[in-house]
Formats: sequence, structure tokens, C-alpha cells
Amino acid sequence: NAGVTQTPKFRVLKTGQSMTLLCAQDMNHEYMYWYRQDPGMGLRLIHYSVGEGTTAKGEVPDGYNVSRLKKQNFLLGLESAAPSQTSVYFCASSYRTVRDPYNEQFFGPGTRLTVL
Amino acid sequence: EDQVTQSPEALRLQEGESSSLNCSYTVSGLRGLFWYRQDPGKGPEFLFTLYSAGEEKEKERLKATLTKKESFLHITAPKPEDSATYLCAVVRVNYGQNFVFGPGTRLSVLP
Repeated sequence: NAGVTQTPKFRVLKTGQSMTLLCAQDMNHEYMYWYRQDPGMGLRLIHYSVGEGTTAKGEVPDGYNVSRLKKQNFLLGLESAAPSQTSVYFCASSYRTVRDPYNEQFFGPGTRLTVL
Repeated sequence: EDQVTQSPEALRLQEGESSSLNCSYTVSGLRGLFWYRQDPGKGPEFLFTLYSAGEEKEKERLKATLTKKESFLHITAPKPEDSATYLCAVVRVNYGQNFVFGPGTRLSVLP
């Protein structure tokens, strides 16, 4: 099992460019998440998905869009990148059980994005 | 406003010197509190989940406890390999899968 993988690992964009970050998981998890991590601010949730075809906003959704067309993939898009979106982006997945819907998240290795 | 804070921001210990990390939360309704460990350049790795006040979980040199306002991560006789950033996160009633993370405590254990 590869767990959670993220593509690409590094990327440099110019202001106004667009890009898509890909997250894939092979654990058949229902839930998937996109976070950004900035120094001193911890992880902040951008968007999440509780199942194929469904997405929801997190704490900092502005400037980002997401799609979950397949259960194993969760895409994060930046339509017009801004320097404020320079960050490390982490994808995570989690599962639902009958006993409790809140279980641990499995994180990917991260994508380091720089917007010039 | 719901908030998760962690203290101290950074902690340096000598190998074998036990200590505790604090995670304080002010949320409207707690459904669960999570502890993660993050090594430099990597994604967070799950440690514990606590669901109710009074609950305790242990794993090797780590022990997590939960009260109605805060959680502690106790580290007993730490080793240099315990050096990492420790993050706590909460999930709240009526907020679905919207997790809120604290800023983390950066732990250094010196040999």
C-alpha cells in the first residue's frame, strides 16, 4: 500500500498562473482533506470531502477549488495563484466506522508551492 | 470563536528528562481531540484520539490525557528520536469533518 500520495512534490508558479494538485489514496477511505501549513500557524483546512462527488469548505477556502470525481482522488485547484498561497499543502484521508465517524487522518508527504 | 492553542511553542529537554505538552481548546462542543507527531519535511503521523474528559491513552513513552478544557501529552524519559513537532487537533459538534489544528509544540531532545 502506498497510502496517501501527492503530486507534485514541489512547484514554483508566477502570480496569476493556475495549477492542480493531485492527491491519491489506496485505502478506500471515504473522507479526504486538503490543508495548508504556514510557519507558526499550524495546519488549516481548505476543503474536504465526505464522499465521491461531494465537497465542503473548510477554514480557508478562498482562492481554491476542489473536485472528487473518484473515491481515491481529491484534486485541489488554484485558478489564479497569488503570493499569499505560497505554502506547504498536505492532503489527508480518513475513514468512517459504525462506532464513530471521527477517526485518525493519514497524511501525504506534502507539496511545497511557491508563488512569485 | 473556537480556538486551539498549544504551549510551550518550543521545548528543549535532556534525554531522560520527562515533561508535558499542553493543548488548550475553547470550542462549543468537542467530539474528539487528536494528537499527531510531525517530523521535518513530512506529513503528520497519528498518535492518539481522545473522546471524553478523563480518558487516557498510552503508547511507549507517550501518554495523552483529556479534561474539559485541555489535553496534555506527557513524555516520560524521552529519547532523541522523540524530537519532532507535536500537533493537537479538535473536531466539533455540528461541524462535520472540519478539524481545527493547534500551532504545534516543537520538541528537541538532546543526547
